[in-house]
Amino acid sequence: KNQVEQSPQSLIILEGKNCTLQCNYTVSPFSNLRWYKQDTGRGPVSLTIMTFSENTKSNGRYTATLDADTKQSSLHITASQLSDSASYICVVSASRDGNNRLAFGKGNQVVVIP
Amino acid sequence: EAGVTQFPSHSVIEKGQTVTLRCDPISGHDNLYWYRRVMGKEIKFLLHFVKESKQDESGMPNNRFLAERTGGTYSTLKVQPAELEDSGVYFCASSLDRERGNTIYFGEGSWLTVV
Repeated sequence: KNQVEQSPQSLIILEGKNCTLQCNYTVSPFSNLRWYKQDTGRGPVSLTIMTFSENTKSNGRYTATLDADTKQSSLHITASQLSDSASYICVVSASRDGNNRLAFGKGNQVVVIP
Repeated sequence: EAGVTQFPSHSVIEKGQTVTLRCDPISGHDNLYWYRRVMGKEIKFLLHFVKESKQDESGMPNNRFLAERTGGTYSTLKVQPAELEDSGVYFCASSLDRERGNTIYFGEGSWLTVV
C-alpha cells in the first residue's frame, strides 16, 4: 500500500468552477508536504510546500491545507482555468537518517472543460 | 536561469541494450536526485547525490542501474542491460540544500521505452 493516497483519481470540472483534491498519508516521521502540478509530458512543478506548523498556504488560485494530526492535506483550485488541466501530485517528505526521502502519490488527474 | 535539463527526452531501445541518461541540475545545486515513474504507478525515488557523493542509493532497483556524478556537476544514469520493466519516465531533480522546506526542481523527464 502506497504511503500517499490521493483522491479522486480523476475529475472533470467546468471552467470557472472550484474543486478540492485530497491527500492522505502515512509517512513518518513527517518533514514536509508538497503539492506539484504536472502537465502532460512535462516534469512536476512545485506549487506549495508546508511544514508541520503550517496548516494553510496559497499560491495564486491554489490553496493547500495540512492537518498533521489526521495526516491529511487538500489542494483547492479556485475559479478553474483550462490551463489547470494537469495531474496534481501530493508529495510527503520523511526525514530519516539525515535524509529527506520523498513519497509520491499517484496524482489527481484534473480536466477543465469550457 | 536554466532549470534542470535532461537528455535524451525520449529513447526507444531493445531489450539487452544500454542506455545512458544525462541530467544537468540547476547551477549551484549540490543536491541531485533521480526518480522513476513506470506506467500506472507513482513516482519513486532512486537515489540522491550530494555533490559527487551518493548520499542515498537505497531506491536503485538492481545492479543493472549505475548512477554517477563526476565532479559534482551533471549526472548520468546508465541502464545495462535494459529489460522491458525498465520502461518509464526517469526524472532528475535538484535542490539547493536539504533543509526542511527547500524547493526541489524537476526536469522534464527522460521517457524510456524498452522493446
